[in-house]
Amino acid sequence: SAVISQKPSRDICQRGTSLTIQCQVDSQVTMMFWYRQQPGQSLTLIATANQGSEATYESGFVIDKFPISRPNLTFSTLTVSNMSPEDSSIYLCSVEGRIQETQYFGPGTRLLVL
Amino acid sequence: LAKTTQPISMDSYEGQEVNITCSHNNIATNDYITWYQQFPSQGPRFIIQGYKTKVTNEVASLFIPADRKSSTLSLPRVSLSDTAVYYCLVGDFGSSGSARQLTFGSGTQLTVLP
Repeated sequence: SAVISQKPSRDICQRGTSLTIQCQVDSQVTMMFWYRQQPGQSLTLIATANQGSEATYESGFVIDKFPISRPNLTFSTLTVSNMSPEDSSIYLCSVEGRIQETQYFGPGTRLLVL
Repeated sequence: LAKTTQPISMDSYEGQEVNITCSHNNIATNDYITWYQQFPSQGPRFIIQGYKTKVTNEVASLFIPADRKSSTLSLPRVSLSDTAVYYCLVGDFGSSGSARQLTFGSGTQLTVLP
């Protein structure tokens, strides 16, 4: 399976600031996804960040709030902009798995906004 | 989108077999059925996938009836370390390589008791 790392693993931020989360994969992958998981809740897809195309956002998520970069086949960043306490969540990246229609997930970035 | 319905929670005792059923009445022809396990403070981890009939691997079995409108994850002889949330996902990445169809439902919180 792919090994995925995320930085930072956790952070505490002040409202109004921005945080960039990095996702690094140990192998080249085309498909990469960003999720949010609020405390005690399930995962919600924020956007798809496939290499070679613009990121596509799901309903309720916009590029100005969650800009994404995908410069190559092993790396992506998600920025949470102008943060408010409602952005406190775990943010996870995932990539396509070797088995069809499956994903490998990173360990997540735990964000607390004060 | 093929929506899934699972029990919110289940309790079991160590050594017992646990069966978690997922309903997906609107499953499409191209859709795969995939189960993930998530421990606290970790990303989801792939357990098993199937398309029809029965699939078995080293950790679980997946039973899928002929109409594919439901699936049952079977965990043999659970231990305390199997306490986790289990998610059933139905769908595929589609031609655009998006995870939009692969929606995480509420999941099933399995608690294994000593």
